[in-house]
Amino acid sequence: DAGVIQSPRHEVTEMGQEVTLRCKPISGHDYLFWYRQTMMRGLELLIYFNNNVPIDDSGMPEDRFSAKMPNASFSTLKIQPSEPRDSAVYFCASSLARDGFNYGYTFGSGTRLTVV
Amino acid sequence: AQSVAQPEDQVNVAEGNPLTVKCTYSVSGNPYLFWYVQYPNRGLQFLLKYITGDNLVKGSYGFEAEFNKSQTSFHLKKPSALVSDSALYFCAVRDMGAYNTDKLIFGTGTRLQVFP
Repeated sequence: DAGVIQSPRHEVTEMGQEVTLRCKPISGHDYLFWYRQTMMRGLELLIYFNNNVPIDDSGMPEDRFSAKMPNASFSTLKIQPSEPRDSAVYFCASSLARDGFNYGYTFGSGTRLTVV
Repeated sequence: AQSVAQPEDQVNVAEGNPLTVKCTYSVSGNPYLFWYVQYPNRGLQFLLKYITGDNLVKGSYGFEAEFNKSQTSFHLKKPSALVSDSALYFCAVRDMGAYNTDKLIFGTGTRLQVFP
């Protein structure tokens, strides 16, 4: 398995533009997580899905952020409109729950977003 | 809510010396604790976890962690540090959250620098 695949690796965009980040989880994993990493706030959980259904989106900063998981092999995180304070590294992670417990997440390599 | 604290932003150690990266936790109920490592420009990688059982947990790359219930700590240790261990280390705790499904809450991270 190629692991969790995120694209693009780097994204530079102008303030006000729409940005879409993509994630392909590991095949067979039933949980998918979106995290954001910044120097100031560390790793923040934005949203997670179980079997393609959003479970907890309490970490999504505001309405400009949205996430979808149309099928088990693909998820997107969209920011519209983007702002400079959204600049961060965005990680996707997936996991397989056994007996109701997630035994360990597998992270993608992240998307470094810069909004100028 | 569950939380973990990593009191040190950075730990410096000479190669060959033992290393300790500190983590304390605050949970209601039994803690499920994890350590992850992040190398530059990479996603987080799972190192080890404590669920139950022996207080000394062994993980990848020669790392181990000691669970101490009375001190609510879960410090990461290695008997002999390598320069290649230099990375960012995250402690994490399982949080069942308001939706009764589990997610990981990460600490702020500790940068380990091993000097030759």
